[in-house]
Amino acid sequence: SQQGEEDPQALSIQEGENATMNCSYKTSINNLQWYRQNSGRGLVHLILIRSNEREKHSGRLRVTLDTSKKSSSLLITASRAADTASYFCATGAGNNRKLIWGLGTSLAVNP
Amino acid sequence: GAGVSQSPSNKVTEKGKDVELRCDPISGHTALYWYRQRLGQGLEFLIYFQGNSAPDKSGLPSDRFSAERTGESVSTLTIQRTQQEDSAVYLCASSFASGRYEQYFGPGTRLTVT
Repeated sequence: SQQGEEDPQALSIQEGENATMNCSYKTSINNLQWYRQNSGRGLVHLILIRSNEREKHSGRLRVTLDTSKKSSSLLITASRAADTASYFCATGAGNNRKLIWGLGTSLAVNP
Repeated sequence: GAGVSQSPSNKVTEKGKDVELRCDPISGHTALYWYRQRLGQGLEFLIYFQGNSAPDKSGLPSDRFSAERTGESVSTLTIQRTQQEDSAVYLCASSFASGRYEQYFGPGTRLTVT
């Protein structure tokens, strides 16, 4: 069953703008991961944040995690056309060895 | 180093035929996952292998679907008596153990059942 719910389902912005995507989940987790999928490079891991972390950065990516609200956000700064892709969150929890995936946010960055 | 590879990249089959999809994980990764992704949809978990433990088959949609893994290497996903609703991209991923690590995905096999 799907646990993560990404919001919005679709987002369209201009190049140079920031893009923010949110992910909500239902059960306790030990980590939350963001992935990107586009036609050129397939599905690629972006960043992993553990439940005891609140914020993590990687290049132009910033991820926050609020375990009290069971939510995470992915911020892409200074977006580029190449950032056009679907973005998925996935959660890992306790003894459950498989990730639970959301349905994704489709991001279009217009040049 | 080599990533996850899958074969074939595309498969067109007639309804009712059996198909076998192959996945070669990254060397050293003990965990291997199969997912199905229908057009414009998210990932649907199918099955998970972890070392010599019993696989988690909870995502297999019917008994027409089965998968095997030889030790910590190659895995095959078999779909018997294919139906048109089986048309999708089948993705394989591998990782270091459990759900605590990032997964590395193969390019997928696009299955079309006519």
